[in-house]
Amino acid sequence: GNSVTQMEGPVTLSEEAFLTINCTYTATGYPSLFWYVQYPGEGLQLLLKATKADDKGSNKGFEATYRKETTSFHLEKGSVQVSDSAVYFCALSDNTGGFKTIFGAGTRLFVKA
Amino acid sequence: GAVVSQHPSWVICKSGTSVKIECRSLDFQATTMFWYRQFPKQSLMLMATSNEGSKATYEQGVEKDKFLINHASLTLSTLTVTSAHPEDSSFYICSARDRGQGRSNQPQHFGDGTRLSIL
Repeated sequence: GNSVTQMEGPVTLSEEAFLTINCTYTATGYPSLFWYVQYPGEGLQLLLKATKADDKGSNKGFEATYRKETTSFHLEKGSVQVSDSAVYFCALSDNTGGFKTIFGAGTRLFVKA
Repeated sequence: GAVVSQHPSWVICKSGTSVKIECRSLDFQATTMFWYRQFPKQSLMLMATSNEGSKATYEQGVEKDKFLINHASLTLSTLTVTSAHPEDSSFYICSARDRGQGRSNQPQHFGDGTRLSIL
């Protein structure tokens, strides 16, 4: 079945550092891929998405490229801010699962000033 | 953008009571809504898929008599935790997909979650 694996956290960085959060997936079909962000005590917000191979999703300085050959969708940001501290979830969705969304375990990011 | 409203945001109640959580899509229609449970510092666990006008589809291991789901309209789904006990304490999150965007490449829209504490 479909699954998402992302790097374990927490990840602790200093402000302006480069961020990478790894995400790989297993899917039987051709999934769409998403990154969601969850701030403390809140629900999830869509950060970015990519719907087909080689697509690059981007938002708020974050980027991720859909790599079919490596089944990966790593999240990157060139210069993190304290306000980026949150939990980041990699996710996939495809019609073989009835459009369910499968989430990774989440990676907690702490950014220090 | 699409907004999902979840209410209440926080509830504390005594063991044995039933608690109802509402999930509303405010500016779109949703034939499908999803209910998740999230334990501290863990990922979201899909509990059930709520289908407008029909019975919900529960994931394996989720007690349908314990977690009653009703999706009576295209903008409202409710989750009722019946005879709640301390082990039911958790963060419950709903999400919805726009009716007009049924394909998998469209993201879900999430509510802000309900923190349920059973004493």
